[in-house]
Amino acid sequence: IAGITQAPTSQILAAGRRMTLRCTQDMRHNAMYWYRQDLGLGLRLIHYSNTAGTTGKGEVPDGYSVSRANTDDFPLTLASAVPSQTSVYFCASSQGDNSPLHFGNGTRLTVT
Amino acid sequence: SQQGEEDPQALSIQEGENATMNCSYKTSINNLQWYRQNSGRGLVHLILIRSNEREKHSGRLRVTLDTSKKSSSLLITASRAADTASYFCATEGLSGGYNKLIFGAGTRLAVHP
Repeated sequence: IAGITQAPTSQILAAGRRMTLRCTQDMRHNAMYWYRQDLGLGLRLIHYSNTAGTTGKGEVPDGYSVSRANTDDFPLTLASAVPSQTSVYFCASSQGDNSPLHFGNGTRLTVT
Repeated sequence: SQQGEEDPQALSIQEGENATMNCSYKTSINNLQWYRQNSGRGLVHLILIRSNEREKHSGRLRVTLDTSKKSSSLLITASRAADTASYFCATEGLSGGYNKLIFGAGTRLAVHP
């Protein structure tokens, strides 16, 4: 089934540790995104990539980095996790402007 | 910063009733999108309405857009228990770029059998 796969599904992480959230899509979409979802705040954009080889900062990029080596993969890295990064992280993709987003099922991350 | 603000924050209705959710936004947009999220799952796209459109339908869903009031509404007719979910509006700004899609905090809809 075409779509977006995120891994892991959930993770408990000690503060200060490094963590990479994986995201893979098989729809050949140009654009990919990482959002975090916190209660009462909706989804906030962390980083995005309009096409392979390019990335950009969203609304809340601090403490996170991304790479886009190819069309399918868009990993999100927390270099040194802090408790405020406890959240549910969603990866999404789209064809481009005026196109809907397709979401993965999220990674629930708890930083202790 | 949130562009879209959904109203109400929570809505509880009986099966068969209609559910109306509203979204207001602050700046001019290219399009407005509605998404649905079931508990523990990712968001699923429902409808995209462009700034030059006033109304769109998809099955039991009807979306209206009033750019003069910077507002949109999502109507679910003849609701079912399976419609229980959170509903989000998202706006794509005029500066273009899908990176500009901004989500509201959502409306939690509960449909009781």
